[in-house]
Amino acid sequence: DSGVTQTPKHLITATGQRVTLRCSPRSGDLSVYWYQQSLDQGLQFLIQYYNGEERAKGNILERFSAQQFPDLHSELNLSSLELGDSALYFCASSVGEVSQETQYFGPGTRLLVL
Amino acid sequence: SQKIEQNSEALNIQEGKTATLTCNYTNYSPAYLQWYRQDPGRGPVFLLLIRENEKEKRKERLKVTFDTTLKQSLFHITASQPADSATYLCALDGGGNTPLVFGKGTRLSVIA
Repeated sequence: DSGVTQTPKHLITATGQRVTLRCSPRSGDLSVYWYQQSLDQGLQFLIQYYNGEERAKGNILERFSAQQFPDLHSELNLSSLELGDSALYFCASSVGEVSQETQYFGPGTRLLVL
Repeated sequence: SQKIEQNSEALNIQEGKTATLTCNYTNYSPAYLQWYRQDPGRGPVFLLLIRENEKEKRKERLKVTFDTTLKQSLFHITASQPADSATYLCALDGGGNTPLVFGKGTRLSVIA
């Protein structure tokens, strides 16, 4: 158990809908990262937050947004969902601001868009 | 363009043998490189980190080498066991403020 929690574990929704994925980092970790993993693309970095502020941005679509709250949990919002958004979404956390640090991953949320 | 390539999508080996996985990169100058293990449907788990000034790192049956001249890291599992069957991902820092960049992984199957 990495200490990172993610909810929900599974999510099935329809195209055009909006969903929110939630992540709680390990105790003491200030950075939260979001990744998307699909079969053909591998693990793709989306965005990093450090202590409530956006720190780095990857290939995150404009339809996606995220935030980190004062208690350090984070939410990833996916809107106007498309079939191609079906994937595993992972949250990871690390102690500091440097995004190349060792990261601890949650169990993931499996999103299926029908 | 920048690339990270892991030698093969899948690798099958006999139990007890040494598994060797390769990670090659192009147009990166990483200060360090990490290896993760991922089981199906689960999040990656950190295994080892090796810095650019380190040639080799060991942890129990695992060994990682890092050759910045060849732009390559090798990941070895000695005395492999069926429980070692998983996908192994290499990740490196992209430089500057770029977060970790992950390879697509090699799926290792250890056959009893």
